[in-house]
Amino acid sequence: SYELTQPPSVSVSPGQTARITCSGDALPKQYAYWYQQKPGQAPVLVIYKDSERPSGIPERFSGSSSGTTVTLTISGVQAEDEADYYCQSADSSGTYADVVFGGGTKLTVL
Amino acid sequence: EVQLVQSGAEVKKPGESLKISCKGSGYSFTSYWIGWVRQMPGKGLEWMGIIYPGDSDTRYSPSFQGQVTISADKSISTAYLQWSSLKASDTAMYYCVRQMTTVTTQYFDYWGQGTLVTVSS
Repeated sequence: SYELTQPPSVSVSPGQTARITCSGDALPKQYAYWYQQKPGQAPVLVIYKDSERPSGIPERFSGSSSGTTVTLTISGVQAEDEADYYCQSADSSGTYADVVFGGGTKLTVL
Repeated sequence: EVQLVQSGAEVKKPGESLKISCKGSGYSFTSYWIGWVRQMPGKGLEWMGIIYPGDSDTRYSPSFQGQVTISADKSISTAYLQWSSLKASDTAMYYCVRQMTTVTTQYFDYWGQGTLVTVSS
């Protein structure tokens, strides 16, 4: 089955830039999406279609894509950005039954 | 304002049945797919399946096919996730989501608050 691979954890100091990667063979053919989940809360969409930012999401959140890897970048990290981040995409066959999540990355703000 | 409001937490015994709900408001309920996402304790997100309330077209992840049933009642803008015989391994938080779906885009723009299901003898 199709898999998306994320690092389990990333740590940065406040004000630095955090980069979270997500790798998958179908990413050149399918868009990637990113969700932020804080403890005890439902996930929130922070990036869609590789690099688009929903309204209300701070500009410090950005996304990029290169080959089989997509990257979520958080510039000028703030303490409130500490959370789990999940990438999501779909199998390259494009059927509705093939939505896939990465395993998640815990962002720690030191 | 788009909202997905889920039913409250449940505590059940193994073998019991359960149906949890998700009521949509603030948008045309019959025009968007509604999905369900599982999150087991301390674990990641897993997509379970979706339903199009307009015509009840339903799709399941292979991992959940035959394990759960997804349904919807468009007259009351509510989607459901049900089990006929719960197992301890069904203990998890379940989120309903509005799924934006085309051939090239599939993602979740709105999430419910989650329903915690605990299955224990």
